[in-house]
Amino acid sequence: RKEVEQDPGPFNVPEGATVAFNCTYSNSASQSFFWYRQDCRKEPKLLMSVYSSGNEDGRFTAQLNRASQYISLLIRDSKLSDSATYLCVVNAPGGGADGLTFGKGTHLIIQP
Amino acid sequence: NAGVMQNPRHLVRRRGQEARLRCSPMKGHSHVYWYRQLPEEGLKFMVYLQKENIIDESGMPKERFSAEFPKEGPSILRIQQVVRGDSAAYFCASSPPLEVYEQYFGPGTRLTVT
Repeated sequence: RKEVEQDPGPFNVPEGATVAFNCTYSNSASQSFFWYRQDCRKEPKLLMSVYSSGNEDGRFTAQLNRASQYISLLIRDSKLSDSATYLCVVNAPGGGADGLTFGKGTHLIIQP
Repeated sequence: NAGVMQNPRHLVRRRGQEARLRCSPMKGHSHVYWYRQLPEEGLKFMVYLQKENIIDESGMPKERFSAEFPKEGPSILRIQQVVRGDSAAYFCASSPPLEVYEQYFGPGTRLTVT
């Protein structure tokens, strides 16, 4: 089983719609969770951390379910500029000390 | 405040040559991480360094790859005798001392081995 699994997509979504993706992780000892965004041929950029109680940042909402070992990201009122690959990231003991373990990403395309 | 800087941005090497990739962390950051992203793959952790110390190199191939972060100057990822399979994007990230999971990435070096 892969350490961090995501549906690669692509998700084709009309502008203004709401879209959600999930990610599952295998290491129950994981403690920190993040969503990163990566544009084509660019570096990953931290979008938001994911807290146990769930958290919101503008149009973005992240949730964590420790029992089922999954993380979700919800994007409301999607914009064309939201088109990118969204990377689910966890810190996994054994994944390299304080290195992070990345999923392969979910590709999102917002269509006008 | 300049972000994480990496150079060169693109590097072409022939098989058997050496590749040297440099990374300057953000000001005030003392932790550096190297990741590799193969085409159509996710980022893979390679090595975690602090000044003059390798903290964790569990993701680094045992042969041909080495990394350092000297007291002065940038962190260097060195690949000796490159092979075609080394072609990838190599990203460096840095974090402040007390927030090791708050990692900021540089623009990456795209290595092509011909």
